[in-house]
Amino acid sequence: GAVVSQHPSWVICKSGTSVKIECRSLDFQATTMFWYRQFPKQSLMLMATSNEGSKATYEQGVEKDKFLINHASLTLSTLTVTSAHPEDSSFYICSAADRYEQFFGPGTRLTVL
Amino acid sequence: AQSVSQHNHHVILSEAASLELGCNYSYGGTVNLFWYVQYPGQHLQLLLKYFSGDPLVKGIKGFEAEFIKSKFSFNLRKPSVQWSDTAEYFCAVTSTGGGNKLTFGTGTQLKVEL
Repeated sequence: GAVVSQHPSWVICKSGTSVKIECRSLDFQATTMFWYRQFPKQSLMLMATSNEGSKATYEQGVEKDKFLINHASLTLSTLTVTSAHPEDSSFYICSAADRYEQFFGPGTRLTVL
Repeated sequence: AQSVSQHNHHVILSEAASLELGCNYSYGGTVNLFWYVQYPGQHLQLLLKYFSGDPLVKGIKGFEAEFIKSKFSFNLRKPSVQWSDTAEYFCAVTSTGGGNKLTFGTGTQLKVEL
């Protein structure tokens, strides 16, 4: 399967700061990338769908001004958590999609102090 | 909107026991079905997928799943589990017209004891 990387794999930040997470598809061009959030011992919750060159589509209840998504190229999407608070602490996972399936990154553990 | 339910939240088995994890979905149209596995500390990996054709799908590591359209089910099976199968298993579905947007079930935590 295709390889998707995320950077950083974990990050600790202070409340009020912003954190950027990168998602890269390493061996194919992904017109669509997805961002998920996973709480401990729970399933993945889709946050947004990111299409290259256009605005992301956010799921209901996800604040687009708080979770900024940029999909500048066919191999890179970024998620910026702005003015992070402790409740934003979570595991963030991206995926890159071809026509048939999604390939998942290893995730980024965000801890906001 | 589509939804996916996994009936078993926690399953504990002894090595060599047979496994069946339930997955049901609700959607009236054509679906694509997936099972993913997440080993402790690792990222999601695809176990198997069903798009069309033979409803009995074989995946990696000896897993298989059967799509029963009349029951809206896609249960995961393995005849003999190993300790290394300890992981979280997620059923997921995409629908035609929904693009590649996956809807995940709540997951089943499998623990295999020696």
